[in-house]
Amino acid sequence: DTGVSQDPRHKITKRGQNVTFRCDPISEHNRLYWYRQTLGQGPEFLTYFQNEAQLEKSRLLSDRFSAERPKGSFSTLEIQRTEQGDSAMYLCASSLEFRYYGYTFGSGTRLTVV
Amino acid sequence: TQLLEQSPQFLSIQEGENLTVYCNSSSVFSSLQWYRQEPGEGPVLLVTVVTGGEVKKLKRLTFQFGDARKDSSLHITAAQPGDTGLYLCAGEGGTSYGKLTFGQGTILTVHP
Repeated sequence: DTGVSQDPRHKITKRGQNVTFRCDPISEHNRLYWYRQTLGQGPEFLTYFQNEAQLEKSRLLSDRFSAERPKGSFSTLEIQRTEQGDSAMYLCASSLEFRYYGYTFGSGTRLTVV
Repeated sequence: TQLLEQSPQFLSIQEGENLTVYCNSSSVFSSLQWYRQEPGEGPVLLVTVVTGGEVKKLKRLTFQFGDARKDSSLHITAAQPGDTGLYLCAGEGGTSYGKLTFGQGTILTVHP
């Protein structure tokens, strides 16, 4: 297994466009998380899945954001009608369910909204 | 929402010096983890601490979990330029059940 993969690594989009990011977790991991990180700050929680079920979504998350994890494998994060404030690094991580296991993060998708 | 406050926010030192990074909260966490992140990459797990008062050592890095499980520290002995990066603490438990809440990070620069 090559770890957590995220695609694309970089995305530049015009304000108002929709974007979709993909995350492929470690195959044995049943939990998948999405975080957002701005420069010099810690990651901010967006949402997480256990298998195909979305268990929690941040209250700070606008309705323009949606995430799916069909069949409990890969996940997609879509942002509709992007705004300049959406510019950030979007990180995906996966883990085993046991709470004391750490997360394995992907390299992230850097989104720039112009 | 449980908050984790890290200090200092920035640390710039010379090779060979020692340093300590602190991670504090008013809430109790079931576990606390430390990550290191390099520019353009995702965070990488360094350690998980779960028991109050626990101390773990990883070569020149020493991690401690507070007795009340509300705070933690990371101590680096004889820092090297390769230690440069963003250090993040993250806690799980309480209102952060099932997910990690991250501190804002400490940017460490070690000059040769």
